[in-house]
Formats: sequence, structure tokens, C-alpha cells
Amino acid sequence: DADVTQTPRNRITKTGKRIMLECSQTKGHDRMYWYRQDPGLGLRLIYYSFDVKDINKGEISDGYSVSRQAQAKFSLSLESAIPNQTALYFCATSDLKVRPDTQYFGPGTRLTVL
Amino acid sequence: AQRVTQPEKLLSVFKGAPVELKCNYSYSGSPELFWYVQYSRQRLQLLLRHISRESIKGFTADLNKGETSFHLKKPFAQEEDSAMYYCALITSGSRLTFGEGTQLTVNP
Repeated sequence: DADVTQTPRNRITKTGKRIMLECSQTKGHDRMYWYRQDPGLGLRLIYYSFDVKDINKGEISDGYSVSRQAQAKFSLSLESAIPNQTALYFCATSDLKVRPDTQYFGPGTRLTVL
Repeated sequence: AQRVTQPEKLLSVFKGAPVELKCNYSYSGSPELFWYVQYSRQRLQLLLRHISRESIKGFTADLNKGETSFHLKKPFAQEEDSAMYYCALITSGSRLTFGEGTQLTVNP
């Protein structure tokens, strides 16, 4: 769904560098999520936000931080990247008014930390 | 704590054969379950949800609370069904807990 976009799509960085992954959506959804996907582990929730002033930790938030700059934007930062943060990162959105929530995913950002 | 388990990481069938992708869950509340699919080079997308009792692309899934399962089934697999399939459970605060995923390959 082209309504959820992620930049960059691919990124190679070095250990210790700070990196930001960005997510934008035009769906008008209030809820946004960041996941990482690792082979054999599925998708794991890093952070989620139910509105601009709401930020919540997911199951694997250590080493990550987020910023919800606007309803449409949700950024994920790695303050000091390490190799085991190499993964595929997905942003997703959902609509509070829909029950049960259906999440709409971005195309993913492939991050490699050397 | 909530958990979703997909015991098969890889599943391979021939075209026209029945396919079943297993999903088991543990959750103390009333479960709401989903199947998401990721085709090659496409983004993850919702396939079906148990509450709708729907059939999408020939796939169905029935929630069995006694066995805490939500297996995905299709009577006749097609090559275009080859993809990664994730079972997911929605919990408090609309958080999704995903299983590990099953890579389905349908051979010609």
C-alpha cells in the first residue's frame, strides 16, 4: 500500500553511528508502529504510538528511540548502531475507528550494521 | 503472557495439493487472530481475520479455542500462494504479537 512509505529503503552503516529511519503515511491513521523482522523470529514490536503525544515501548525497545513528529510521521532512531541491529525494519499504521485493528505496513527498510 | 507459535518454518507442497499452515497461541483474554502474508518483494498485508469468518484467495482459518489454534487451510494450493505467512494475535492496546512465520513453497 503506497500510503505508507519508509526512507531509506536500504542502509549500510558502521558500528557506533547514529541512524534514523523515517516513516510517513497519508492514510490519516492515528496509530503507528515500528517492527523489526529477523529470520526465524518473525516480527517483533519495537515502539508504538497511538497519537502524537503518546509513545510506548514494545517488546524490544532497548537501543532504539522514536519520535512522533506529526500524526503522519514516526521516526525510529538507533543512537549507537550495533551489528545485531542488522534487520529488516517495518513501519505500520492502524485506524482507531476500525475494530479489530488492521495494520498497514510500509515496504520495509533493510539495515546493515557493519 | 501472550505468545504465537508457528511450528513449521518451511512448508513445501505441490500445486493442487491441500495445504495447512499451523498456528497455536496462548493468551489469557479473548483472542482476536489474523493471518498476514508477505509475497516476494511485496509488503506484509492482511490475509484474513478470524472474526470475519471469511475466505480470501481460497484460504480459510477457524479459531479453535479448545486447542488454542488458528490453522490456515486451502484445499488446492496454487503456485502464486508461495509466500511467507504470519499468524498474529491482537492484545491489549491493539498490539500485534506475531508468530515466527512459515515460508510456503508451492511447487509446479
